[in-house]
Amino acid sequence: RKEVEQDPGPFNVPEGATVAFNCTYSNSASQSFFWYRQDCRKEPKLLMSVYSSGNEDGRFTAQLNRASQYISLLIRDSKLSDSATYLCVVNRGGNTPLVFGKGTRLSVIA
Amino acid sequence: DADVTQTPRNRITKTGKRIMLECSQTKGHDRMYWYRQDPGLGLRLIYYSFDVKDINKGEISDGYSVSRQAQAKFSLSLESAIPNQTALYFCATSDWRTSGKDNEQFFGPGTRLTVL
Repeated sequence: RKEVEQDPGPFNVPEGATVAFNCTYSNSASQSFFWYRQDCRKEPKLLMSVYSSGNEDGRFTAQLNRASQYISLLIRDSKLSDSATYLCVVNRGGNTPLVFGKGTRLSVIA
Repeated sequence: DADVTQTPRNRITKTGKRIMLECSQTKGHDRMYWYRQDPGLGLRLIYYSFDVKDINKGEISDGYSVSRQAQAKFSLSLESAIPNQTALYFCATSDWRTSGKDNEQFFGPGTRLTVL
């Protein structure tokens, strides 16, 4: 089993739709969690951190369920500019590198 | 100016050639990483370095070597390139002061390497 698993998609949604991505992680000792965004042929960039209490940034909401080892990202009112690959990322803590999921590709269609 | 730079941005080479990819950063971070990205396989860690005297293998280090010449520079070498090393290569940095929780990584723009 991969340490971080995501549905690869692609998710093809119309503008204005709400779309949700899920991610599961296998290491129960993981300490912190993130969503990164990667545009086609560009470098990944941090989108938002994910906290146990859930957090929201404009149209984006991230949630963490430690008991189920599950992370989600909800995008409301999708825009064409949201088209990208979304990477689920886990920090195991200590002196270890981040673990990246393979990403979920989103295409928002006019 | 970009905080993390990679040179070259694109490179086409032939099987058996030695190739060096270079990464420089002006963020003052101590930690640096090399990844490769292939379609459908996501980002895979090749090597990482937590300071100038520290080098660690990632999940796919075979066929690669690295050199941390200074805190700001981390080079990746392919001693004898082969076609299945054709990929997009990213360098990244992070700051140990945020490693406990946030541990945000900052990526360079990538190097597209083609081995014929």
